[in-house]
Amino acid sequence: AQSVTQPDIHITVSEGASLELRCNYSYGATPYLFWYVQSPGQGLQLLLKYFSGDTLVQGIKGFEAEFKRSQSSFNLRKPSVHWSDAAEYFCAVGSGYSSASKIIFGSGTRLSIRP
Amino acid sequence: GAGVSQSPRYKVAKRGQDVALRCDPISGHVSLFWYQQALGQGPEFLTYFQNEAQLDKSGLPSDRFFAERPEGSVSTLKIQRTQQEDSAVYLCASSLGTSGGPEEQYFGPGTRLTVT
Repeated sequence: AQSVTQPDIHITVSEGASLELRCNYSYGATPYLFWYVQSPGQGLQLLLKYFSGDTLVQGIKGFEAEFKRSQSSFNLRKPSVHWSDAAEYFCAVGSGYSSASKIIFGSGTRLSIRP
Repeated sequence: GAGVSQSPRYKVAKRGQDVALRCDPISGHVSLFWYQQALGQGPEFLTYFQNEAQLDKSGLPSDRFFAERPEGSVSTLKIQRTQQEDSAVYLCASSLGTSGGPEEQYFGPGTRLTVT
């Protein structure tokens, strides 16, 4: 069955520092991968997605992620974080290849920003 | 344009009460999903609609959970005889549903249900 693992429950980085959030997935074929961000009291916002093509994906708010099939990873990166990036980040995989496919989420990584 | 809206945003229910949670998807979106997010966890799939048809309800945790979308737009998630373990944030998401392939799902702000 498909699954997503986010090994870091909580990460703290200094404002202006670089960020990498780890994500590993389990999927039998080419996965459809997502990163979502959730701020307190807010819904989930899509940062970026990978469906096919270039394995380095650019998203909103200066985020990017790289799909590495050999490592079953889809890590999220940002070169310089801002205080407003403090939030919960979820990596996710689509369960199939149709518009009816549900999304399977990891347990999330909480990002705190040190002033 | 308007996004996905959910109401109420917060609901407190006494154990044993019935609750109804509403979702207004983005206009024209065919696909509608419900997810349950327990505290400190990622969302988990509950059920899926394509227009008014409920095509997947494999994630509903018990027969106390019931969802409907009678006219293919607004959806209601009903929980009967609520239990403490039902306390969670219930998220609704919609997507175009017409591309034939995987699509971005747009999420509402959620309804936080607390069962006391």
